[in-house]
Amino acid sequence: EAGVTQFPSHSVIEKGQTVTLRCDPISGHDNLYWYRRVMGKEIKFLLHFVKESKQDESGMPNNRFLAERTGGTYSTLKVQPAELEDSGVYFCASSSLGGYYGYTFGSGTRLTVV
Amino acid sequence: QKEVEQNSGPLSVPEGAIASLNCTYSDRGSQSFFWYRQYSGKSPELIMSIYSNGDKEDGRFTAQLNKASQYVSLLIRDSQPSDSATYLCAAGDGVDTGRRALTFGSGTRLQVQP
Repeated sequence: EAGVTQFPSHSVIEKGQTVTLRCDPISGHDNLYWYRRVMGKEIKFLLHFVKESKQDESGMPNNRFLAERTGGTYSTLKVQPAELEDSGVYFCASSSLGGYYGYTFGSGTRLTVV
Repeated sequence: QKEVEQNSGPLSVPEGAIASLNCTYSDRGSQSFFWYRQYSGKSPELIMSIYSNGDKEDGRFTAQLNKASQYVSLLIRDSQPSDSATYLCAAGDGVDTGRRALTFGSGTRLQVQP
């Protein structure tokens, strides 16, 4: 079974630019999560999709972040415009059983805003 | 604000010894607890989950939960150099809440010396 795939693995952009991160969950997993780890901090929850619906977006930091999951398959996380403090590693994860039993993470996208 | 606290380490143990990793959590409503292992530059990998007070064993790993003390631990028996990684403790809500966001600690770095 293929794992959770994220790309790009690295992205360096200038402040004010737009970046779109993509996540392909494990096939058949209805639940998809976005987390991020900024420098020196713990991994923090951003949002949770069930199929194409946003189940919980309580962790989204502000309206510069937009997450979508068209058709309930892959998801994108757009940051527009990017700020310096958005630098960090963005992880995607997926699960089949609602996530109560844990979930599988992707290898992350390292975003650097300069 | 929900918090999970871990000692950042590094925790250094000799090969073959028992490594003991601990975390505490602030939210008494937390009902699900996870240990993830993360090698440098890689994705977090779920190694143990625990939901009830007491011990849960899986191979060389034992997770322990004490909800009264709000304390979770992970024991690694017969530690191997390949166990050297950062161990992340995470707490989540009960199955009936529908909320699947996890609160992560900042991780404990384990070094197993050959």
